[in-house]
Formats: sequence, structure tokens, C-alpha cells
Amino acid sequence: DAGVTQSPTHLIKTRGQQVTLRCSPKSGHDTVSWYQQALGQGPQFIFQYYEEEERQRGNFPDRFSGHQFPNYSSELNVNALLLGDSALYLCASSYGTTSNTGELFFGEGSRLTVL
Amino acid sequence: SQQGEEDPQALSIQEGENATMNCSYKTSINNLQWYRQNSGRGLVHLILIRSNEREKHSGRLRVTLDTSKKSSSLLITASRAADTASYFCATDAAGNTGKLIFGQGTTLQVKP
Repeated sequence: DAGVTQSPTHLIKTRGQQVTLRCSPKSGHDTVSWYQQALGQGPQFIFQYYEEEERQRGNFPDRFSGHQFPNYSSELNVNALLLGDSALYLCASSYGTTSNTGELFFGEGSRLTVL
Repeated sequence: SQQGEEDPQALSIQEGENATMNCSYKTSINNLQWYRQNSGRGLVHLILIRSNEREKHSGRLRVTLDTSKKSSSLLITASRAADTASYFCATDAAGNTGKLIFGQGTTLQVKP
């Protein structure tokens, strides 16, 4: 049973460029959440996708956008990259959306370095 | 913004000793969860405690929750070198659907 898979694992970009990160949720899961984790910090919620729609969004600018496909996989896009966007980007999957957030299953992350 | 604050930020102990990490949070919650992260890799879920529970056990892990003080603790008993990792508490805030708010984490080093 495949867990959450993310690609690429590492990438280097320059300021002003655009990046797309990809995530496949755990089998049987239909909800994907994205988190940004700066070095030495805890993960911060970017947004969540369910039924191909953005359901919740954290305090991130519009440069951060996403998409969910019919097979539940998801992409995170970041435009006009800044040095401060350098971080580990984590994808987490779960089943459904309820008033209580249960256990999240995380991928290994995509480490983005912006030069 | 970070909801949780964890204490201590770093902890170093010998194998066999117990490790205790504390987490404080600010708002009412549905549940509180603890996750583990090895060397900047993905997070692994350890345990979830609901707002109406006070204590929960899972193997060598014991979690307590005090909603009146808005705090939680994670106890790892008989620690092993393999327990070396960063540990994060995460809250599911009441009224919020689908997102967890993480603390800044405690880095635990267990020396063999």
C-alpha cells in the first residue's frame, strides 16, 4: 500500500522563477493538505484541497496556488519565487473533511532552495 | 502563525532515561496530536488525544492533556537511540476544519 509520494525531492530555483511540486495521496485518501516548513520551524498550513476545490487556506500570498486532479493527486505552484520561499514543502493526505482533523499522513517532502 | 509553543526546544538524554516534552497552545481545540520528524524528512503521526480525554498511552508513549491550562505533555519512557528526532505537537483548533497548527518542536537527542 503506497503512502504519500512527493516529487521532486530536491530542487533549486532562482528568484523570480516559478515552481510546481506534486503529491499523490495515500491510497483511499481524497484530501490533500500542503504545509511549508522553514528550517528549524514547525510546519505551517498553506491550503487544503478536497473534491478538486480549495477548502481552507492559511496565511500565504496568492503567489501560492494549487490544484487537485480527479485522481486526488495535487500540485502546489509558487510564482515569483523569493529567497524566503526556501523551505521543505510537505504534502499530507487524509480522508474526507469533518469538523475534527484526524491523523494526517505526510510525504517525505520537497526541499526547495531559492538562490 | 504558530499556535503551540514547545518546551524545551532541545533535550539530550542517555539511552534508557525518560524524555518529557511540553506543549502549550492558545485556543480551544478538538484534539491535539504529536508527530515525529527524522532529520528534516516527513512527519510521522504518533498519537492523538481528544479534548475530552486527559491521558492516553501508546507503547512507550504517554500523552496528557490539560485543557484548563491549554497544555499537553509527551513522555517517552525507556528511550532508545532510535528515538532521536524532532517532536511536534499539533492542534486541531475548534471551529477550524481540516488544518493542524504545529508548534516549533522539540529536538530530542538520545545518546547510546
